[in-house]
Amino acid sequence: GEDVEQSLFLSVREGDSSVINCTYTDSSSTYLYWYKQEPGAGLQLLTYIFSNMDMKQDQRLTVLLNKKDKHLSLRIADTQTGDSAIYFCAETAPPSNTGKLIFGQGTTLQVKP
Amino acid sequence: NAGVTQTPKFQVLKTGQSMTLQCAQDMNHEYMSWYRQDPGMGLRLIHYSVGAGITDQGEVPNGYNVSRSTTEDFPLRLLSAAPSQTSVYFCASRQQGAKDEAFFGQGTRLTVV
Repeated sequence: GEDVEQSLFLSVREGDSSVINCTYTDSSSTYLYWYKQEPGAGLQLLTYIFSNMDMKQDQRLTVLLNKKDKHLSLRIADTQTGDSAIYFCAETAPPSNTGKLIFGQGTTLQVKP
Repeated sequence: NAGVTQTPKFQVLKTGQSMTLQCAQDMNHEYMSWYRQDPGMGLRLIHYSVGAGITDQGEVPNGYNVSRSTTEDFPLRLLSAAPSQTSVYFCASRQQGAKDEAFFGQGTRLTVV
C-alpha cells in the first residue's frame, strides 16, 4: 500500500539551513504536500508541489521533488526559532477523488538559538 | 469563518465507555476525515467521507464509527473505549480539487484509563 517515510528528528542552529527529507511510494500522486504542526495545534499547509515540477520556491522555503527516486525534500533557509515544529509530508492516496491524504511520521525540527 | 471546529479539546474515559467526538466545518467542503496522531507514527486515517451520506474506512477503522448526515458535521464515535485508543484525534476537511489544502481542527486529546 501507500507509504510515506520521514526521519523523526532534526536539530539545527538558528540561521542555518534545514533540510527535511521524505520518501513516498505512490507514483500516481499528483500533488505532494508539506504541513507544519506547532505545539498543541492542528496541522497547517506550508506548501505543495505538483508532480510534474522539480522545484518550487516560496520565500525561505524550497521544495525539491525527485520523481524517479520518489524523494521529496523541504529546505528552510535562515532557520528561525519560530520554525521549531513538526513537519509532515503527505501525498494524495488513490483514488485521488476521495480527498484522502497519507502522512509521514513527521520530523520534529529543533532550532537552537 | 470558524473553519474546522472539534469538541471536546480534552477527554478522559474509562475503559468500556462510549463517546462521540464532534467535528463541524463551515466551508462547504465535500471531503472530511478523521485521523489519530500517535508518537512516531504520524497521522493515520481512521474514516473519511466524500460527501453527505457517504463514508468509508481508512487505515485504522476498528473500534470507531462515523456518519455524515450533513455536509457540515462528521462525528466520530468510540463504541467501547480501550487504552489503545488513547491518542490525539484530528478532523480535517478539504474541497474537491486535488491540490486543495486540508484544513485541520485543533485536535481532541483523549485518554482512556
